[in-house]
Amino acid sequence: DVKVTQSSRYLVKRTGEKVFLECVQDMDHENMFWYRQDPGLGLRLIYFSYDVKMKEKGDIPEGYSVSREKKERFSLILESASTNQTSMYLCASSNQGPRYEQYFGPGTRLTVT
Amino acid sequence: AQKVTQAQTEISVVEKEDVTLDCVYETRDTTYYLFWYKQPPSGELVFLIRRNSFDEQNEISGRYSWNFQKSTSSFNFTITASQVVDSAVYFCALSEALLYAGNMLTFGGGTRLMVKP
Repeated sequence: DVKVTQSSRYLVKRTGEKVFLECVQDMDHENMFWYRQDPGLGLRLIYFSYDVKMKEKGDIPEGYSVSREKKERFSLILESASTNQTSMYLCASSNQGPRYEQYFGPGTRLTVT
Repeated sequence: AQKVTQAQTEISVVEKEDVTLDCVYETRDTTYYLFWYKQPPSGELVFLIRRNSFDEQNEISGRYSWNFQKSTSSFNFTITASQVVDSAVYFCALSEALLYAGNMLTFGGGTRLMVKP
């Protein structure tokens, strides 16, 4: 059974802290994605990676960075968390190519106080 | 730029009613893929269906059916005889191929479906 796991379901951090969100997939997928989900805005792409050490900005990369040192792991980093980064963060992975569906993790609900 | 619009933010029905979730998209690509995902209260998005731009045949899977119409840029989703377990947020998404590698999904804002017993 395919699986995407995220390091935490719930996380509470303080403003200014550095935050790491980890995502691991066991399907040998080339692509990995980070989205944030906010009410009424759907899912917005933050960053994606199509290969190890390769990354591309999505629609809302400001305030975030990513790291992909191994194929199965994709990390999202908030360098200095702010309250407007309070959100649900979803990780996904997929095979290469537009016809392939993305598989999603359970999400991390991050609250920045 | 691609865009996906789900005009219905919330729909409430009574069990056994039929319900249609609308999805309208915009793209300049001639080759593209459309998807529907379901997000139950547990939070994890579940893939439901994929359609490519060259296949306009409607599809039926049990109580679920999808109507793809290129002429109106729509990809609507109908649940027949809805059940409480259908309560979820449903997302429509559009996939484009990128020149160098990878692919991106553009999601609509989602429609929250509430099925009451």
